[in-house]
Amino acid sequence: NAGVMQNPRHLVRRRGQEARLRCSPMKGHSHVYWYRQLPEEGLKFMVYLQKENIIDESGMPKERFSAEFPKEGPSILRIQQVVRGDSAAYFCASSPGLVGSYEQYFGPGTRLTVT
Amino acid sequence: DAKTTQPPSMDCAEGRAANLPCNHSTISGNEYVYWYRQIHSQGPQYIIHGLKNNETNEMASLIITEDRKSSTLILPHATLRDTAVYYCIVRGSNFGNEKLTFGTGTRLTIIP
Repeated sequence: NAGVMQNPRHLVRRRGQEARLRCSPMKGHSHVYWYRQLPEEGLKFMVYLQKENIIDESGMPKERFSAEFPKEGPSILRIQQVVRGDSAAYFCASSPGLVGSYEQYFGPGTRLTVT
Repeated sequence: DAKTTQPPSMDCAEGRAANLPCNHSTISGNEYVYWYRQIHSQGPQYIIHGLKNNETNEMASLIITEDRKSSTLILPHATLRDTAVYYCIVRGSNFGNEKLTFGTGTRLTIIP
């Protein structure tokens, strides 16, 4: 059973470009979460999605960031017009979304570097 | 979600049991205690969780005090690969409250 997959693992963007980060949840998981870890800091929740729905986006910056989890395909975290402060590790997690099964399983992360 | 307090760092000799404490004095009745760890810069790894009973799995044991205000994660025979930052997280179980709030954790170093 493959784990959570994220790609790319490393992404370099120049200031002003767009970054697209992809996350494929574990098989059978319908809930996806995105977290960000800035250098030398802890993980911070960004957004929680189910298929075609955003459930909680309380941790998302108000501008330039968006997320989706379409009916088919991976979840996408999109950052428009990237700035140096966006350089971080972005982790995706998934869970089955079943009552009593609340643990989240994390992917290896995408390390975004903005030059 | 209730706040947790953990020591910033701990050492443990290889082969010995590592006991990682966590205080969560404001935990409410429907909140679970979760433990995750992050090895170097990898994605966090789920370890174990519990509500009020002690729990054990192939990785660790979780001991929760009767008043639920604190807990201890036990790695029974620590190996060098257990060196990581360990996070104790309290989280509710109701819909829409599934996000994990990571604190600063405990940096556990296993000494050869």
